[in-house]
Amino acid sequence: EVQLVESGGGLVQPGGSLRLSCAASGFTFSSYWMSWVRQAPGKGLEWVANIKQDGSEKYYVDSVKGRFTISRDNAKNSLYLQMNSLRAEDTAVYYCARFSSSQGYWGQGTLVTVSS
Amino acid sequence: DIQMTQSPSTLSASVGDRVTITCRASQSISSWLAWYQQKPGKAPKLLIYKASSLESGVPSRFSGSGSGTEFTLTISSLQPDDFATYYCQQYNSYFLTFGGGTKVEIK
Repeated sequence: EVQLVESGGGLVQPGGSLRLSCAASGFTFSSYWMSWVRQAPGKGLEWVANIKQDGSEKYYVDSVKGRFTISRDNAKNSLYLQMNSLRAEDTAVYYCARFSSSQGYWGQGTLVTVSS
Repeated sequence: DIQMTQSPSTLSASVGDRVTITCRASQSISSWLAWYQQKPGKAPKLLIYKASSLESGVPSRFSGSGSGTEFTLTISSLQPDDFATYYCQQYNSYFLTFGGGTKVEIK
């Protein structure tokens, strides 16, 4: 069974940093692109970033470019999102996700709140 | 980037109604479209992939159609468990995008 478990969310001040982690199990992690998707309170879904199987390609939504970095450790079956220079508008539930041509798996999400 | 425009944003319907939600892409995405259902406090659940393929375990009252830039999700006979928010997602590009969502409410 595919499982994605996020951690690392919490309350952070504007301008601060946070690192999210996603522990993957139930599939061959190194064989799949992985993504982060977020959802601000009461709002819709927004794709944030994705990363190729070997980490050689990474893509970001414009609003986080230069501030967020997606990475992975295939030996640890883990996905990460380093978030720097956080803003109030980054407040959201962050989901780790695995998308493919015929599948869509999501974690349960971790809440990031940016507030002073 | 590919923009996804979903309509309506809110839909009021009764149990047993036939419901249709539309998603339009700003450029052709072939059939690389998925539909998700989301309930409050939960992660989205995949319903349809490749525009018209039903995910395993999803009731057959859900169906998807379309290709290119126009897509629809149809619920043939709305059930109490179907009141939720629905999102389309394109995965034709590395830059994934979602529609704005359609909230299906009880009439």
